[in-house]
Amino acid sequence: LVLTQPPGTLSLSPGERATLSCRASQSVSNNYLAWYHQKPGQAPRLLIYDASSRATDIPDRFSGSVSGTEFTLTISRLEPEDFGVYYCHHQGNAPGTFGQGTKVEIK
Amino acid sequence: QVQLVQSGAEVKRPGSSVKVACRLSGDTFSSSYITWLRQAPGHGLEWVGRVSPLLGIAHYAQNFQARITLTADKSTSTAYMELYSLRPEDAATYFCARGGYCGDGRCYALDLWGQGTPVTVSS
Repeated sequence: LVLTQPPGTLSLSPGERATLSCRASQSVSNNYLAWYHQKPGQAPRLLIYDASSRATDIPDRFSGSVSGTEFTLTISRLEPEDFGVYYCHHQGNAPGTFGQGTKVEIK
Repeated sequence: QVQLVQSGAEVKRPGSSVKVACRLSGDTFSSSYITWLRQAPGHGLEWVGRVSPLLGIAHYAQNFQARITLTADKSTSTAYMELYSLRPEDAATYFCARGGYCGDGRCYALDLWGQGTPVTVSS
């Protein structure tokens, strides 16, 4: 399984909507796909699991969806703390599979 | 609160080994796995392997198979990653995280992360 995250970088302004994509090379069983956010110098943080379930304490401006093998993370209105790199991840398999990441930067 | 606390930064010579600790604080090891990942400067996340503290079994990425050992001590709720024969390209921040396995009829994401341990490999 290969996870592809185009584009590499999104340049957006605070308050804008962000739509991030993660394309799987084959079907993902039970849509076991997670999203993480990483700020510089910090560990990643789980945002979404099972394609569309928000993790504990994650605000509702974050949402996940899936259509076939295309997974989407949407941030309805970007806050300053939302900038950084977002990774998708195929939950549970070994070896673990991650997308290469999408950087969301301030425009 | 529940957290994974990793040991501090390491500076190692090529050919030596490094052992990184990851202690679960505020909870005990259950049926979950501890997954190890690494991130070279400016790069993405690379899966290293995972260990089940309960079952005492580990799975390794093929790249590391011959020179890595993952273990866990249930009595201290601490997992360990030991990487041998270090190369300059092993320089990275190493993370432990809880989850990343399938069991009980579902597959689990990485819901709790350690703060990361930077490892420098230099002569």
